[in-house]
Amino acid sequence: QKEVEQNSGPLSVPEGAIASLNCTYSDRVSQSFFWYRQYSGKSPELIMSIYSNGDKEDGRFTAQLNKASQYVSLLIRDSQPSDSATYLCAVSDNAGNMLTFGGGTRLMVKP
Amino acid sequence: DAGVTQSPTHLIKTRGQQVTLRCSPKSGHDTVSWYQQALGQGPQFIFQYYEEEERQRGNFPDRFSGHQFPNYSSELNVNALLLGDSALYLCASCISNNEKLFFGSGTQLSVL
Repeated sequence: QKEVEQNSGPLSVPEGAIASLNCTYSDRVSQSFFWYRQYSGKSPELIMSIYSNGDKEDGRFTAQLNKASQYVSLLIRDSQPSDSATYLCAVSDNAGNMLTFGGGTRLMVKP
Repeated sequence: DAGVTQSPTHLIKTRGQQVTLRCSPKSGHDTVSWYQQALGQGPQFIFQYYEEEERQRGNFPDRFSGHQFPNYSSELNVNALLLGDSALYLCASCISNNEKLFFGSGTQLSVL
């Protein structure tokens, strides 16, 4: 059974700091990796995707992937109170579009 | 351009009843997936529809069934509701073989 693990948090960081969110996955055939942001009472919103080892940057967000360690992370630079949300890690094995989600990490950015 | 739309937004049912949830995919998308999200947990994959057929299914009992129509919209049916079926039901759409899912705002189902 595929598993995606995340620390549930809450992770609390001060405004302007770097928030580091981590995720591990169990299935070595996983090929695609995603980070979704979910505000309380809202639906998940895709913020980053990464497919190969290394770093991928998009604005204040950087996704990092290490397939050998089965580890994916999300860094949020210059964290803002509006970044306060639950961040969901999701993986896919490319055998269609089924995503396996972790339980999410709740991030709190304090002014 | 409308995104993924779901109806109803909230629903209250009693144990043993049946429920139908509806989803219209984002314009241009032909694949619809359904997820169940219990409070405080990540979404769990129920099934996916493409070309009006169930293409993949997660670990959910046969009480959960679905349908996709020629216009790509979809329904999720749940029979013999249990208290544990209370959750947020999310519909997500995408273009076939593209894994970037776009989620609707969900249907909050409460089973009493």
